[in-house]
Amino acid sequence: AQSVTQLDSQVPVFEEAPVELRCNYSSSVSVYLFWYVQYPNQGLQLLLKYLSGSTLVESINGFEAEFNKSQTSFHLRKPSVHISDTAEYFCAVSDHAGNQFYFGTGTSLTVIP
Amino acid sequence: GAVVSQHPSWVICKSGTSVKIECRSLDFQATTMFWYRQFPKQSLMLMATSNEGSKATYEQGVEKDKFLINHASLTLSTLTVTSAHPEDSSFYICSARTQGPYEQYFGPGTRLTVT
Repeated sequence: AQSVTQLDSQVPVFEEAPVELRCNYSSSVSVYLFWYVQYPNQGLQLLLKYLSGSTLVESINGFEAEFNKSQTSFHLRKPSVHISDTAEYFCAVSDHAGNQFYFGTGTSLTVIP
Repeated sequence: GAVVSQHPSWVICKSGTSVKIECRSLDFQATTMFWYRQFPKQSLMLMATSNEGSKATYEQGVEKDKFLINHASLTLSTLTVTSAHPEDSSFYICSARTQGPYEQYFGPGTRLTVT
C-alpha cells in the first residue's frame, strides 16, 4: 500500500514570494505522483504529474515539482505566487496499475496581498 | 477533453429520504469510476471503486447498503444515499479513468445537506 504525507496544513505567503509545498510518500512499489488543486466548492483539477522520464515536471501556470526517489518526495514549488493561487493543494500517489489513488491531507495555500 | 460532470451540484434533502447523484464522463469512456467523500478542510476519502457492469468495491467502513453505486454504462455512474441522515452531509466527488493514462479526472463535486 501507499501513503502520502503533507506536513504543512497551512502555508501563508506574500504575493510574488516563492513557495514550496512539501509532499512525501511511502510505497513498496514504483509509483506515479500527482498534484491537484482545489478551489472553494469545486472538484479537483490536475496541476501536474510524474509518470516517468524527467524528474522535474512543470505546469502551465508556473508550478513545478521534482520527483526525488531517494528522499521519496514530490515537493511543489512556484518562484512567484499570485493571489489567484490561493487554494487547497493535494498530493496523490498511485501504483502503476492506477487502480487507487492515495491522497495527502492537503495544504491550504493563502497568498497575502 | 476528459470532462467529468456531476449532477446535481447541490442538494438538500430531509432526513430519511434518499438522494441520487450522477457522475458522467462527457467525452470519453470511463472503464472505472471512483466515489470520494470530503469533509470540510479535509482530504478526499475513497468510498468505492466501480467498474462498468460490475459490482462496486467498497472501502472498509463504508456501508454498501447505504451508499448504493451503479455503473451501468461506460459514461455514467450513480451514487444513491439511502435513508439519509444529517451525518451524511458532505461533499461527494466522483472521478473517472480510462485505460492507459493512469490519471483520474474529477467531477466538480456535489454538496449534500441533510436536514
